[in-house]
Amino acid sequence: NAGVTQTPKFQVLKTGQSMTLQCAQDMNHEYMSWYRQDPGMGLRLIHYSVGAGITDQGEVPNGYNVSRSTTEDFPLRLLSAAPSQTSVYFCASSSGTGSSPLHFGNGTRLTVT
Amino acid sequence: AQRVTQPEKLLSVFKGAPVELKCNYSYSGSPELFWYVQYSRQRLQLLLRHISRESIKGFTADLNKGETSFHLKKPFAQEEDSAMYYCAPIPSGGSYIPTFGRGTSLIVHP
Repeated sequence: NAGVTQTPKFQVLKTGQSMTLQCAQDMNHEYMSWYRQDPGMGLRLIHYSVGAGITDQGEVPNGYNVSRSTTEDFPLRLLSAAPSQTSVYFCASSSGTGSSPLHFGNGTRLTVT
Repeated sequence: AQRVTQPEKLLSVFKGAPVELKCNYSYSGSPELFWYVQYSRQRLQLLLRHISRESIKGFTADLNKGETSFHLKKPFAQEEDSAMYYCAPIPSGGSYIPTFGRGTSLIVHP
């Protein structure tokens, strides 16, 4: 049982480049979300989805796009990378009830130069 | 606005000392309350949740509705408890997506 799988683990981009961070889960979870983790800032919600075809913005959505065409996949797109997007990105999923915990991926460490 | 506060960025104790990591929240209704932990070079994982009333790795968390707090406690800290700890309430109703506190880094010295 793989759980939540994120790729790549590390990525270096130049300012202005675009890329997609991949996230897949095999637990048939309805809820999926993306967070960024920055020192002193904790985890901040970027975007989330409550099911296939449904996405919504979190606390820090600017500069990021998401889509949810299947239950399993929830990719995060950086359209034009900026140094302020240097961070560690975590994808998470849950079954979507109030008491169900989040299951996290291993994270993607992104550096934008 | 809904908010969760972890007032300590860093908590440094010696092995065997008691530990209390504070979490205060400002949510209406009855949020579900969780603590997550991130050990070095590992993914975030659930430590415990209020609804389960459980003790995990010697940690417990007590909900104080009057003070709107959900502090994490352990009577005798161990070196392997060194990690980043996040309090994460889920508001009642709504999207079931938690908001995370800024985290407390716990360092347990030998």
